[in-house]
Amino acid sequence: KAGVTQTPRYLIKTRGQQVTLSCSPISGHRSVSWYQQTPGQGLQFLFEYFSETQRNKGNFPGRFSGRQFSNSRSEMNVSTLELGDSALYLCASRPGTGTEKLFFGSGTQLSVL
Amino acid sequence: GESVGLHLPTLSVQEGDNSIINCAYSNSASDYFIWYKQESGKGPQFIIDIRSNMDKRQGQRVTVLLNKTVKHLSLQIAATQPGDSAVYFCAEAMDSSYKLIFGSGTRLLVRP
Repeated sequence: KAGVTQTPRYLIKTRGQQVTLSCSPISGHRSVSWYQQTPGQGLQFLFEYFSETQRNKGNFPGRFSGRQFSNSRSEMNVSTLELGDSALYLCASRPGTGTEKLFFGSGTQLSVL
Repeated sequence: GESVGLHLPTLSVQEGDNSIINCAYSNSASDYFIWYKQESGKGPQFIIDIRSNMDKRQGQRVTVLLNKTVKHLSLQIAATQPGDSAVYFCAEAMDSSYKLIFGSGTRLLVRP
């Protein structure tokens, strides 16, 4: 079974731009979560989607948004980028019920200049 | 989450020795705990998990111990190998919230 796939692997943007990151979960997994990882704040929960509905949300500003498609693939969007948004953005999937265990992708490294 | 900074706590062990990585969790209501390993340039990789109705669980070369009284979790790695060198994170979850709250991480260095 293929693992969680995230694209692109690296991304460089400038302040004020917006960015869209993509995630394909493990086949059969209906839940997708997004985490931000920075040296200063560690791993922080952004949001989780299950069956195209946002099921949980972390403490991030409204500039961070996401969505999930009917095939469980997910995208997250960050608008009006700030320097502090530079981070590794990790996507993780799980079957959706019965376990909290997450399977992570390798992440998208976003640099905001 | 807790601040990690560039100064992660580091545990340095000799190859072949046992390693113990500790973690203090924050919420006494958490009922699920999990350990991840993260190598450079990769996402976190599942190691082992445990529910709050247990105090010990064993996997292949790894053991997780849970002490709910003092809100402490530990990961024991037997016969540590160079391939075990990585950053290790504990995480907790509460009442099927589906949101994992991660600790700050510990870097494990294995000396050959």
